[in-house]
Amino acid sequence: GESVGLHLPTLSVQEGDNSIINCAYSNSASDYFIWYKQESGKGPQFIIDIRSNMDKRQGQRVTVLLNKTVKHLSLQIAATQPGDSAVYFCAENTGNQFYFGTGTSLTVIP
Amino acid sequence: GAVVSQHPSRVICKSGTSVKIECRSLDFQATTMFWYRQFPKQSLMLMATSNEGSKATYEQGVEKDKFLINHASLTLSTLTVTSAHPEDSSFYICSARDLDRGYEQYFGPGTRLTVT
Repeated sequence: GESVGLHLPTLSVQEGDNSIINCAYSNSASDYFIWYKQESGKGPQFIIDIRSNMDKRQGQRVTVLLNKTVKHLSLQIAATQPGDSAVYFCAENTGNQFYFGTGTSLTVIP
Repeated sequence: GAVVSQHPSRVICKSGTSVKIECRSLDFQATTMFWYRQFPKQSLMLMATSNEGSKATYEQGVEKDKFLINHASLTLSTLTVTSAHPEDSSFYICSARDLDRGYEQYFGPGTRLTVT
């Protein structure tokens, strides 16, 4: 499979601060990327996506940035809340398949 | 919309037996379904991709005779773990995609398999 990796396995942030989670991907032909949130014992939950013809996309409190030059993806969460504590995965679409990164565990400190 | 269910949510079976996990798209037709396995504190590993009515495409290292996938209809895919062993204990997650709706995959809630 493809190699999609995250730079930081764990991240702790203070409630109210902004969080940045990073991801490196390896396949320059990937054309679609998604960030997922996974809570313990549950399936992944879609957060935000971005196509390769874009470099930034914003949602509610979240922003995804794509740098195709260095094959880097990031997820920014504004005003992080305790409910944001979870594991976050990036995934890249290559053809008809998705490959997931290793995940970053985000802990929000009240 | 775009809800995917899995059944059962948890299953315990004895070593050597087979167990079937169902994945259903409840409100859309899934042209493609995916099966993932996830070990504790690890990422989702794609096992296989299945298109309705055709044979599944397995990822390298996944035994097709051990993990039988059937995608009999546009709303149902099944994964059968044959002759299960304790090392098959894992969290199995399916997802479904309808390319008419876009690239996004919709994930099921997962099935926790424990082989004793």
